[in-house]
Amino acid sequence: GENVEQHPSTLSVQEGDSAVIKCTYSDSASNYFPWYKQELGKGPQLIIDIRSNVGEKKDQRIAVTLNKTAKHFSLHITETQPEDSAVYFCAASIGGSNSGYALNFGKGTSLLVTP
Amino acid sequence: GAVVSQHPSWVICKSGTSVKIECRSLDFQATTMFWYRQFPKQSLMLMATSNEGSKATYEQGVEKDKFLINHASLTLSTLTVTSAHPEDSSFYICSAASREGGNNEQFFGPGTRLTVL
Repeated sequence: GENVEQHPSTLSVQEGDSAVIKCTYSDSASNYFPWYKQELGKGPQLIIDIRSNVGEKKDQRIAVTLNKTAKHFSLHITETQPEDSAVYFCAASIGGSNSGYALNFGKGTSLLVTP
Repeated sequence: GAVVSQHPSWVICKSGTSVKIECRSLDFQATTMFWYRQFPKQSLMLMATSNEGSKATYEQGVEKDKFLINHASLTLSTLTVTSAHPEDSSFYICSAASREGGNNEQFFGPGTRLTVL
């Protein structure tokens, strides 16, 4: 089955700096790669996603890049703010038609942005 | 965006009792719902996949007779933890996948904290 590795497990940055989280996946059939932000005691919130037909996607301070050949994808957060502090999870799944497919999650990265 | 609710948000029960957790998609029809459990400082572990009107598919190692899943409509799935024990204490999270859009985007509920005494 699919195996998703995520690094680093913890990341501490100064406010205003950039943060990068990297994930690798094992199943070349995976074609959907979402990133979730989870705050303490809450469910994960989708912050950005990318599909295998795209190499990069950006939404304001957040960007995701995908390298299908190397089977890795990364989350980039620029101009970090204290409210970006949370646990971030990457995931991969094999998508298809009008149905949902199970997500395989990385182990998460605890991001701390210090003022 | 699509909204998924869970009820209750937290529950404390005695060992041996059963607990039902509801997951609802509020503004869309969910073809498929997923149930996860999450232990402190760990990732989400998929327990089962539930399609409306059919039996749930359980992941390896998850007891289907202990974790009963019912997906009776396109907006509601329930997870019942039967004869709960302290080791069942965890954060249970559901997600729902929309029938529309032709993609596999999942929307997560806020989670239910279960504590078994």
